[in-house]
Amino acid sequence: NAGVTQTPKFQVLKTGQSMTLQCAQDMNHEYMSWYRQDPGMGLRLIHYSVGAGITDQGEVPNGYNVSRSTTEDFPLRLLSAAPSQTSVYFCASSPGVGSTDTQYFGPGTRLTVL
Amino acid sequence: AQSVSQHNHHVILSEAASLELGCNYSYGGTVNLFWYVQYPGQHLQLLLKYFSGDPLVKGIKGFEAEFIKSKFSFNLRKPSVQWSDTAEYFCAVNAGRAAGNKLTFGGGTRVLVKP
Repeated sequence: NAGVTQTPKFQVLKTGQSMTLQCAQDMNHEYMSWYRQDPGMGLRLIHYSVGAGITDQGEVPNGYNVSRSTTEDFPLRLLSAAPSQTSVYFCASSPGVGSTDTQYFGPGTRLTVL
Repeated sequence: AQSVSQHNHHVILSEAASLELGCNYSYGGTVNLFWYVQYPGQHLQLLLKYFSGDPLVKGIKGFEAEFIKSKFSFNLRKPSVQWSDTAEYFCAVNAGRAAGNKLTFGGGTRVLVKP
C-alpha cells in the first residue's frame, strides 16, 4: 500500500490563481480530511468527508472547495489564491468515521502564494 | 467547542534527559486523545492514543502518556530521550459525534535533543 499520497510537494502561486491539491489513499478508508499547518497553530481542519459524495466544512473552510467522487480521491481546490493561504497542507484518512479511529497523514504540500 | 493547549512551544534538552510535554483540553464530555509526532521533513505519525481504560497508555519508541480527567490533561512523557526524538509533537482531541467527530490539534511543541 502506498498509504496517503499528495501532489504536488511544492507549489508557488500568484495571488488570484486557482489550483487543485491532489490527495489519494489506497486503503479503502471512509474518512478523509484536509488540514493546514501554520507555525504555532498546529493543524486546523479545512474540510472533511465521511464517504464518497459526502463532504463537510471544518474549522477554516473559506477559500477552499472539496469534492469526493470516489473513495480514493479527495482533491482540495483553491478558488482564488491569497497570501494568507501560504501554508503546508496535509491530507489524512482513517478507516472509519468513528472518533477513535487513527488518522493517517500524507507527506504534505508546501504552498506559497505571492 | 473543543480546544487543545500545549503550553510549551519549544523544549531543548540533552540526551538521556527526561521529557514531559503538557497537553490540556477543554471539553466537558467524553474525549478520545492522541499524540502525534512530526520528524523533520516528514509527515505526522501516531505515537499513542487513549480511548478508555487504564489512563496510562504506552506508545511507540518508549513514549507514554497519562490521562487525568480531573485536570483535563494528557501529558506525554519519555524517561530518557535520544537525539532521534528531535521533532515536533502534537496533542489532539476528538470529542466524538457531539463535536462533529473532528480532530482538534494543539499548537505543537518543538523538541530539540542535543547530542
